[in-house]
Amino acid sequence: GENVEQHPSTLSVQEGDSAVIKCTYSDSASNYFPWYKQELGKRPQLIIDIRSNVGEKKDQRIAVTLNKTAKHFSLHITETQPEDSAVYFCAASLFFGAGTRLAVHP
Amino acid sequence: SQTIHQWPATLVQPVGSPLSLECTVEGTSNPNLYWYRQAAGRGLQLLFYSVGIGQISSEVPQNLSASRPQDRQFILSSKKLLLSDSGFYLCAWEVTGRTNEKLFFGSGTQLSVL
Repeated sequence: GENVEQHPSTLSVQEGDSAVIKCTYSDSASNYFPWYKQELGKRPQLIIDIRSNVGEKKDQRIAVTLNKTAKHFSLHITETQPEDSAVYFCAASLFFGAGTRLAVHP
Repeated sequence: SQTIHQWPATLVQPVGSPLSLECTVEGTSNPNLYWYRQAAGRGLQLLFYSVGIGQISSEVPQNLSASRPQDRQFILSSKKLLLSDSGFYLCAWEVTGRTNEKLFFGSGTQLSVL
């Protein structure tokens, strides 16, 4: 089955800095890569996704890049704000990484 | 609009007791349905998925089972709970007939087995 590795497990940044979370996957047949944000005690919610026919996608302060050859993809958050603090999960189709706990300090 | 309901929100059960968690979806037909488990501080592990009534696929061998008695109802069960069954259980749905679409999650059930 698919194996998704996610790094780092925790990330602490100052407000206004950028944050980058990286993931790798094992199944070269995977073609859908969503990112979810989970606030404490709440359900995960999709924030951005990318398909294998696209290398990069942006949505305001959030961007995702995909390298299918290397089987890795990344989430980039620019101009971070305290409300960005949460756990972020990458996924390859239905299989999730272990999550990254992002803390944005004012 | 589509909504997903999951209950109960919290559950404390003794080891060896049975379990039944229910999930229902409204506003859509023939959705793909999923059960995930999230251990404390960990990622989401796919447990079961269903593409139709009575069709259940399991991703990992375990003490749990799932059933889909109606189109928009998905149930997670156990005959005898183990300590290791503790966790946050999430039901999710996906647009019918399409693969590789985003998941919509229920609000989750926090299960503590003591």
